[in-house]
Amino acid sequence: DAGVTQSPTHLIKTRGQQVTLRCSPKSGHDTVSWYQQALGQGPQFIFQYYEEEERQRGNFPDRFSGHQFPNYSSELNVNALLLGDSALYLCASSLASGASNQPQHFGDGTRLSIL
Amino acid sequence: GQSLEQPSEVTAVEGAIVQINCTYQTSGFYGLSWYQQHDGGAPTFLSYNGLDGLEETGRFSSFLSRSDSYGYLLLQELQMKDSASYFCAVRPTGGFKTIFGAGTRLFVKA
Repeated sequence: DAGVTQSPTHLIKTRGQQVTLRCSPKSGHDTVSWYQQALGQGPQFIFQYYEEEERQRGNFPDRFSGHQFPNYSSELNVNALLLGDSALYLCASSLASGASNQPQHFGDGTRLSIL
Repeated sequence: GQSLEQPSEVTAVEGAIVQINCTYQTSGFYGLSWYQQHDGGAPTFLSYNGLDGLEETGRFSSFLSRSDSYGYLLLQELQMKDSASYFCAVRPTGGFKTIFGAGTRLFVKA
């Protein structure tokens, strides 16, 4: 049973560039959430996708956008990269129909470094 | 606003018991969750408290008191492999996002 997979594992970009990160959810899961985790901090919610729609967004600028595909996989796009975007980007999957106590399953993340 | 406060670091000895506290300010939430994250790894789910009281899962227990806006994670019979960061998290009612605390880094010494 495949867990959450993310690609790439590491990425180096320069300021002003654009990046696309990818996530495949755990088998059977239909909901994908994206988080940004700075070093020494907790994950910060970016947005959640369900049925190919963004259904809630955290406090992130419009430079951060996403997409969910019919197979439930998802992409996170960040435009006009800033130095402050350097972080670990985590994808988590879950079941929309699950109970409120249903845990999120996280991938190992993409480490994004901006030079 | 909504926030969760945790101690930044805790150090304990192998075999001991350690408690990691989490205090929160949020108007309403479904329950309090705990996640473990080893350096370079993914957060993994440990425990959930939907109701007040104690939940036990092996060496780990978690407690919630909504009236005190407080919860904790209790780790017993500490092992070296328990050295990691621990995060408390809540999902506010009426929404889908999860809010995480800044995390507590646990160091287990021999």
